[in-house]
Amino acid sequence: DAGITQSPRHKVTETGTPVTLRCHQTENHRYMYWYRQDPGHGLRLIHYSYGVKDTDKGEVSDGYSVSRSKTEDFLLTLESATSSQTSVYFCAISAQRGLQYFGPGTRLTVL
Amino acid sequence: DQQVKQNSPSLSVQEGRISILNCDYTNSMFDYFLWYKKYPAEGPTFLISISSIKDKNEDGRFTVFLNKSAKHLSLHIVPSQPGDSAVYFCAAKLNAGNNRKLIWGLGTSLAVNP
Repeated sequence: DAGITQSPRHKVTETGTPVTLRCHQTENHRYMYWYRQDPGHGLRLIHYSYGVKDTDKGEVSDGYSVSRSKTEDFLLTLESATSSQTSVYFCAISAQRGLQYFGPGTRLTVL
Repeated sequence: DQQVKQNSPSLSVQEGRISILNCDYTNSMFDYFLWYKKYPAEGPTFLISISSIKDKNEDGRFTVFLNKSAKHLSLHIVPSQPGDSAVYFCAAKLNAGNNRKLIWGLGTSLAVNP
C-alpha cells in the first residue's frame, strides 16, 4: 500500500459547476500525477507535479488546472465541468525510476 | 500516434495454461518498461518491470521478455489463475534527464476461465 488517498471517491455534479479532486500522499514523494481513464483510451495524463508549486501539463490538460501547495497534496480542479469530463480519475506518485503507485480513483459523473 | 501499443484488446485463457500479453513500442529511447494490473473499481497496481539493458525479468508466475531489436515486450503468466483476470497495461519511460512520465498502452483485458 503506497499511502495514497483520493477524495471524494464518487461525485455527481452538473455541467458548469466547479469541481476539485484531492490526492493525498503520506510517502513524501516529489512527483505526483493526475490521470483519467476512459474506455478505449487507457490512462491519459492530465497534469503532473515535480515539486511544491511546480506543475506541468500532460496530454489532456484542457479544462483542468492543478495546484500543489504542500508535498503531500495535489489538487485537480475542473473550473467548469462538462459532460466530456465524466471519467474515472487516478492520482499517482512516483517512486524510483519512474515506477508509479496509484490511488484508488475518483469516479466523476457530470450531468 | 501511439508510441506504446497493445494490439489485443482482450485475451481469454484456461486456468492453468499460459497467458501471453504483448506490447509493441516505437521509440528506441525508452529505457524502462513496466506492466500494471487493474481490477474494476481499483487503481492500477505495479506488477513487474524490465530495464532496457535486460531481456528477461522473472517474479514468481510472471515473466517479462524484452526484444529490443523488434521493439517488443511480452508478459507471460504461468500458470494462469482466475484471480489474474484483469486489465493489463504496458507502460514505458523515456530516457531523458529526470523524466518520470510514463507512456501507456491502451490495455489488454485478460479473462482466465476455470
